Amino acid sequence: AQSVTQLDSQVPVFEEAPVELRCNYSSSVSVYLFWYVQYPNQGLQLLLKYLSGSTLVESINGFEAEFNKSQTSFHLRKPSVHISDTAEYYCAVSHQGAQKLVFGQGTRLTINP
Amino acid sequence: GAVVSQHPSRVICKSGTSVKIECRSLDFQATTMFWYRQFPKQSLMLMATSNEGSKATYEQGVEKDKFLINHASLTLSTLTVTSAHPEDSSFYICSASPGGPGETQYFGPGTRLLVL
Repeated sequence: AQSVTQLDSQVPVFEEAPVELRCNYSSSVSVYLFWYVQYPNQGLQLLLKYLSGSTLVESINGFEAEFNKSQTSFHLRKPSVHISDTAEYYCAVSHQGAQKLVFGQGTRLTINP
Repeated sequence: GAVVSQHPSRVICKSGTSVKIECRSLDFQATTMFWYRQFPKQSLMLMATSNEGSKATYEQGVEKDKFLINHASLTLSTLTVTSAHPEDSSFYICSASPGGPGETQYFGPGTRLLVL
């Protein structure tokens, strides 16, 4: 069985500062990794995902995440955040070959002006 | 992008009654739909996976007779909470996927259920 740990329940940062949201996973088999974002009063949306190939994946709004197999991590980073990035961020994992997602506890990113 | 709707967005019911929640994929065909439950300040917990035309697969600890799932078409799945009790009060979220493993799940906005 897989599990996902998001080490920080809340991350406050100032606008234009860099941010890293941490995600570690546990699995005995190869995995797919996902970051979903939930903006206030909206459903979850896919931010980015790692299936195979390059370990660095990017989203269209400046976020990136790197799959590190040796550290079983998939941390999410952005070099300069904007007020509009305020949201709940969820890391998720699935078996390769399966669709079922296991979610982390979520990290609330708050951007202060 | 792909859109998934849920109806109703919020429902209040009396203990002992049944409540039906609909999940629709509006602009794509969903071979698989998922139902999650989310408690306050906690993560999403998968309840069951449903494929069109077949019985749902429930996660361990989820009562299939209490949480009835029907996936009658490639765009509609329903979750019926039967004989609801206050402990069933929660936020229920569905997602839909147009493909297989690794495919993106598209999430609905959720349904807040309050059982009095």
